[in-house]
Amino acid sequence: DQQVKQNSPSLSVQEGRISILNCDYTNSMFDYFLWYKKYPAEGPTFLISISSIKDKNEDGRFTVFLNKSAKHLSLHIVPSQPGDSAVYFCAASVSGANSKLTFGKGITLSVRP
Amino acid sequence: EPEVTQTPSHQVTQMGQEVILRCVPISNHLYFYWYRQILGQKVEFLVSFYNNEISEKSEIFDDQFSVERPDGSNFTLKIRSTKLEDSAMYFCASRTGHRNTEAFFGQGTRLTVV
Repeated sequence: DQQVKQNSPSLSVQEGRISILNCDYTNSMFDYFLWYKKYPAEGPTFLISISSIKDKNEDGRFTVFLNKSAKHLSLHIVPSQPGDSAVYFCAASVSGANSKLTFGKGITLSVRP
Repeated sequence: EPEVTQTPSHQVTQMGQEVILRCVPISNHLYFYWYRQILGQKVEFLVSFYNNEISEKSEIFDDQFSVERPDGSNFTLKIRSTKLEDSAMYFCASRTGHRNTEAFFGQGTRLTVV
């Protein structure tokens, strides 16, 4: 039961270029979406989030876009840096007291110097 | 910056033994979670805890699992009789409880059942 899907397992981009990481979801109840970054042997680190009342949220080099009709979100990193190389997880939740996260499988981003 | 801390970082145990994984959530947070990630798979929700009781649990969280907040700061996950398939990274997380806020994760405990 893959409610959150990250269909591309990996992405390689040149330093300075744009990285676009995609995520799809199936549960229409999801209304809060997050991106986490994970280095080996560390826990997921929060990167950026977006509520379903918005279609874009920007924080420095990171922008998340949400297309509710397509049940699709994407994370743009511009410009990409070698330190961005990590596994990126898309996660979704239903707003409420509990707000457990449902994760995708993750995308391994490699930024080449 | 406040952080979630987990101990131990790595635990090796024999099948059938009990293990306790420990977490210290961020002090002003109200909601606490355990997630796990089996090697090569996605991060999966196990259980959420609020106001000293379980608020939700997944189908993975069967009778072999229990959680406790024994002293107001620590948050523990106990596996009563470990199985080989319990081998995974276990992540503790906490959040403030305000609407639409992120969860903060610990660095994880790698559990290896042999």
